[in-house]
Amino acid sequence: NAGVTQTPKFQVLKTGQSMTLQCAQDMNHNSMYWYRQDPGMGLRLIYYSASEGTTDKGEVPNGYNVSRLNKREFSLRLESAAPSQTSVYFCASNTPGQIQPQHFGDGTRLSIL
Amino acid sequence: KQEVTQIPAALSVPEGENLVLNCSFTDSAIYNLQWFRQDPGKGLTSLLLIQSSQREQTSGRLNASLDKSSGRSTLYIAASQPGDSATYLCAVMEVTSYDKVIFGPGTSLSVIP
Repeated sequence: NAGVTQTPKFQVLKTGQSMTLQCAQDMNHNSMYWYRQDPGMGLRLIYYSASEGTTDKGEVPNGYNVSRLNKREFSLRLESAAPSQTSVYFCASNTPGQIQPQHFGDGTRLSIL
Repeated sequence: KQEVTQIPAALSVPEGENLVLNCSFTDSAIYNLQWFRQDPGKGLTSLLLIQSSQREQTSGRLNASLDKSSGRSTLYIAASQPGDSATYLCAVMEVTSYDKVIFGPGTSLSVIP
């Protein structure tokens, strides 16, 4: 099925460990986004990439890095995980200006102990 | 700064009832407003997208309205079914260099058979 694919689906880390969340889309979208979802707070934008080779900070970028490897893939890296980064992470994609909603992956549930 | 709120946070109704979910936003300078559905453990699925020049959109048993002047949107669900049980999020899109989407915290809906 076409769409946005995220890996892994679940992950438990210890404080200070690092990991990379992977995201890939096969809809030829230009823009990709990383959000985090916390209880009662909706989704907040961490980073976005308007096109291949470009990335920009969103609302809550501290503690994260991203890489737009190619048009399909956009990864999110936690260099030194902290308990405050326990959350559900969603990747999304679209092509801005085409009056279409962003398409979301199923999320990565990350727990930092 | 744009803020999006949703009332109520949770709602439980018997099957067959018509219901209304509310969404409020503080800045009327929006590009569009979207309603999403989120099932447990899943990503977001777009239900309806209302452009800023439109007043409402309909899809099957769903009808969404938009009143920019008052900063409000409602999602009307007719003849609710147990399969409608999910979290419903509204989100406004602002006109920036990218599709900046600001989400509300969501309303958790339970439809009781």
